[in-house]
Amino acid sequence: DGGITQSPKYLFRKEGQNVTLSCEQNLNHDAMYWYRQDPGQGLRLIYYSQIVNDFQKGDIAEGYSVSREKKESFPLTVTSAQKNPTAFYLCASSADRNTGELFFGEGSRLTVL
Amino acid sequence: QKEVEQNSGPLSVPEGAIASLNCTYSDRVSQSFFWYRQYSGKSPELIMSIYSNGDKEDGRFTAQLNKASQYVSLLIRDSQPSDSATYLCAVNIQTNKLIFGTGTLLAVQP
Repeated sequence: DGGITQSPKYLFRKEGQNVTLSCEQNLNHDAMYWYRQDPGQGLRLIYYSQIVNDFQKGDIAEGYSVSREKKESFPLTVTSAQKNPTAFYLCASSADRNTGELFFGEGSRLTVL
Repeated sequence: QKEVEQNSGPLSVPEGAIASLNCTYSDRVSQSFFWYRQYSGKSPELIMSIYSNGDKEDGRFTAQLNKASQYVSLLIRDSQPSDSATYLCAVNIQTNKLIFGTGTLLAVQP
């Protein structure tokens, strides 16, 4: 079945550690996204990528980094520079960047201890 | 003014009733509009998209768009307890920028 796989689902991190969240899709979609969701807030865009080896900052990119070496994969690294990293992280993909029809993975819940 | 606004709710409706969820947006040039459903602790799922004024029906769901008044709504007919979730409105305010509202929590009472 086609879809998006995120891992891990739950992750605990000590302050000062970098962590990497995995996102893999087999939908053959060109565009991929990382969103962050906090209680009572809408989804906020961290980074997006329209094509392999290219990505753009979203609204809240500070403290995060991404790579897009393969079409299927778009990992997100939460660095120690991110001041408030505890959140629900959602990876999504779409057939192209001009559509709002996104397919989401199951999410990764990061807690900083 | 927020770019996309929704009443956070909770909106409580009895089983079998019509649930009406509303969303307003600020950018007059917005061209495409989306409703996502998100169950507690889960990821959002696209349930409706609408691109032109008027109504679009899909099963028990109807999306309504009024660009002149800058609002989009979602009607759920014959509401079921399984419809209880947070409904997120998303608006493509310009090419390549999708903005989500904070969502409306719907509770369908059996």
